[in-house]
Amino acid sequence: DTEVTQTPKHLVMGMTNKKSLKCEQHMGHRAMYWYKQKAKKPPELMFVYSYEKLSINESVPSRFSPECPNSSLLNLHLHALQPEDSALYLCASSQDRGGRSFNQPQHFGDGTRLSIL
Amino acid sequence: EDKVVQSPLSLVVHEGDTVTLNCSYEVTNFRSLLWYKQEKKAPTFLFMLTSSGIEKKSGRLSSILDKKELFSILNITATQTGDSAVYLCAVETQGHAGNMLTFGGGTRLMVKP
Repeated sequence: DTEVTQTPKHLVMGMTNKKSLKCEQHMGHRAMYWYKQKAKKPPELMFVYSYEKLSINESVPSRFSPECPNSSLLNLHLHALQPEDSALYLCASSQDRGGRSFNQPQHFGDGTRLSIL
Repeated sequence: EDKVVQSPLSLVVHEGDTVTLNCSYEVTNFRSLLWYKQEKKAPTFLFMLTSSGIEKKSGRLSSILDKKELFSILNITATQTGDSAVYLCAVETQGHAGNMLTFGGGTRLMVKP
């Protein structure tokens, strides 16, 4: 088990459904991330939140909508997804770097395995 | 465009062997290079490297960074079946909007008994 908790672990949804992925950390980290990982591929960055504000959006389609209600929680709202969106969705957190000199790694959750029918 | 390349793509060894995994990169605004181990779920953090020539060690694993030649290696000595995993190299860069990781394609290591 990791210190970054993601729920649910598995999700199957139809293309017309609306669902949300949740991520929680209690390490006091102020930067949180969503990644998408397809089978046998490395994780690809989707979004970065720094101090609860969206700082990076890697040209992700609008059917993915992130939300950061507070410093410990990160959600990813899903609507009208396509079969090609089936993947492992990973959340990560780190001490916000923001140009400061100390270095801290990103810590990952176990992911949500999403299947779109 | 930032690029991180790992080699080999896959490797099959026997228990007790020593392996060396390679990671080369071409990025703008380098901050650090990280190694992760991924089995079935979360990538788990192994090392973070920021300075050239300083070896980091953790048990049978060690890693070093060369910022002049833009590469890093991850060594595993006396391999065990539990070392079987995908090893990911990632480079952290600083952009105008924040820091981000670019991952290499990974090296899939299988250790046979």
